[in-house]
Amino acid sequence: DVKVTQSSRYLVKRTGEKVFLECVQDMDHENMFWYRQDPGLGLRLIYFSYDVKMKEKGDIPEGYSVSREKKERFSLILESASTNQTSMYLCASSLNQRNEQFFGPGTRLTVL
Amino acid sequence: GDSVTQMEGPVTLSEEAFLTINCTYTATGYPSLFWYVQYPGEGLQLLLKATKADDKGSNKGFEATYRKETTSFHLEKGSVQVSDSAVYFCALGRRANSKLTFGKGITLSVRP
Repeated sequence: DVKVTQSSRYLVKRTGEKVFLECVQDMDHENMFWYRQDPGLGLRLIYFSYDVKMKEKGDIPEGYSVSREKKERFSLILESASTNQTSMYLCASSLNQRNEQFFGPGTRLTVL
Repeated sequence: GDSVTQMEGPVTLSEEAFLTINCTYTATGYPSLFWYVQYPGEGLQLLLKATKADDKGSNKGFEATYRKETTSFHLEKGSVQVSDSAVYFCALGRRANSKLTFGKGITLSVRP
């Protein structure tokens, strides 16, 4: 089975801090995705990557950046966390040209 | 652009009741359609999928049929269980870019 792991289940940070969310997949998938999930808004795509060092903006990239130095790892970075970035963050991966995405358990981030 | 519309929730049913969750989409061509489920405290997992018109996806007693004429992919189950309580997401995907477009999700609660 594909396994997607995320570095933390729960995270509490202060406004202005730099925050790193890490995601690792073990099935050699080319594509990796970061979403945020908010009540009433569903899942919104922040960034995705289709290869090492390649990235594309999703629907809501403002305030975020990403890094993919190795195929199995995709990091989401909040350069200066703000309270409106309090949310559930979900990472996913998929094979190239396949839509079935495999999700991690999520990180619930609270910014105080 | 592509979009997915799910019926408003939440939905509360008694155990063994019949379930229908409506999903309609707007897209050109022939996208693939998915239902994902998110159990409490977990990430999303694929429930079922259909890749072409008139295909029926099924899993764990759930079914959905890809209806191109009505642009719909409604989820049904004949007899729900308490363990089916979760958030259900309808999604649309295109092989060319591997991305998914999600609906807002609907929370299902099943009471004993």
